[in-house]
Amino acid sequence: AQSVTQPDIHITVSEGASLELRCNYSYGATPYLFWYVQSPGQGLQLLLKYFSGDTLVQGIKGFEAEFKRSQSSFNLRKPSVHWSDAAEYFCAVGSNSNQFYFGTGTSLTVIP
Amino acid sequence: GAVVSQHPSRVICKSGTSVKIECRSLDFQATTMFWYRQFPKKSLMLMATSNEGSKATYEQGVEKDKFLINHASLTLSTLTVTSAHPEDSSFYICSARGQPVGDEQFFGPGTRLTVL
Repeated sequence: AQSVTQPDIHITVSEGASLELRCNYSYGATPYLFWYVQSPGQGLQLLLKYFSGDTLVQGIKGFEAEFKRSQSSFNLRKPSVHWSDAAEYFCAVGSNSNQFYFGTGTSLTVIP
Repeated sequence: GAVVSQHPSRVICKSGTSVKIECRSLDFQATTMFWYRQFPKKSLMLMATSNEGSKATYEQGVEKDKFLINHASLTLSTLTVTSAHPEDSSFYICSARGQPVGDEQFFGPGTRLTVL
């Protein structure tokens, strides 16, 4: 069965500290993997995506993610968090038919 | 990137009335549109997939007679919540894919529905 697990419901980091948000997936075919960010009351903004090729993908706002097939993971990282990064982050897996499965999200709080 | 809009952004209605939410692709042809529902602190749950000119395909557990989806053109899909009840209150988000944007889904900003 297809599923996405984001083990961390809520993470708090200090501004300037590094960040890693975890994502594990279960998918029967070659996955397309995505990270989205959602600010309160807003829609989803795509941070980055992995379809194929280089397993380390760069996204917007200084985010990157690494696809590790052996671990079925696609963790999101940022070397230095800014206060404006506080939001809800969703990992998603899909296929070229675009059936998306979302994780339950990780809420990020950034403290000064 | 491609832009998807939703209207209205917020709507409050009385129980028993119907509410229509519009989803528009502004700068591409949306051959496929998706409707999601998001509960507080929860993930997005796919409700239905609609291809332009075809009937929508609903996910298991979604009442197709309650959530009417129309995708009559390549730039517009509508979700009508019929005989709304307080438990239908939620955040509804649409997404679209098509040409020339390819495989990626582009998400609308969402519509907050509150049923009193």
